[in-house]
Amino acid sequence: ETGVTQTPRHLVMGMTNKKSLKCEQHLGHNAMYWYKQSAKKPLELMFVYSLEERVENNSVPSRFSPECPNSSHLFLHLHTLQPEDSALYLCASSQGAGTGNTIYFGEGSWLTVV
Amino acid sequence: TQLLEQSPQFLSIQEGENLTVYCNSSSVFSSLQWYRQEPGEGPVLLVTVVTGGEVKKLKRLTFQFGDARKDSSLHITAAQPGDTGLYLCAGEGNYGQNFVFGPGTRLSVLP
Repeated sequence: ETGVTQTPRHLVMGMTNKKSLKCEQHLGHNAMYWYKQSAKKPLELMFVYSLEERVENNSVPSRFSPECPNSSHLFLHLHTLQPEDSALYLCASSQGAGTGNTIYFGEGSWLTVV
Repeated sequence: TQLLEQSPQFLSIQEGENLTVYCNSSSVFSSLQWYRQEPGEGPVLLVTVVTGGEVKKLKRLTFQFGDARKDSSLHITAAQPGDTGLYLCAGEGNYGQNFVFGPGTRLSVLP
């Protein structure tokens, strides 16, 4: 138990579906992240939120839409995804988004796009 | 762009053996973290090293940060099946950039 909870753990969706991934952190942190982990690729940072404000968006396609309603919750809204978007999506949090912070990961949401 | 390389990519050993895995870059990092990720789970932080030349021990695991803060190694003594997993290193940039992850070393310890 790392203090970062992700739901659902597994999701299968069609290319025309709309779904959302949810993340909640119980650590009192101010920064939250979405990472994508595909087979044979390093972890890819997708989005960073600091104090509910998006501070980084690493050229992620618009079919991925993040939402951070407060510092404890982070969503990733999914719309018209492609099969190559199938991956493990990891949420993480840290005290701040600057130097010297430790990142704590959730257990991940396995996404399969069919 | 700062990049991290890890070697070896895969490692399969017998229980009781010692091993070392490496994390290398041409860039300088303000800190470096090691994570272990088990199948179907998120990465779990093992250690953070900050000072060049720093050595940290966590039971049978010894972590070293290179003097120039460009590389790191993880040494496991008397490996056990419970050590099986993907070992990831992540470097933090000097100017507040977010962490860069290496591709990982996938370790399998056979009983």
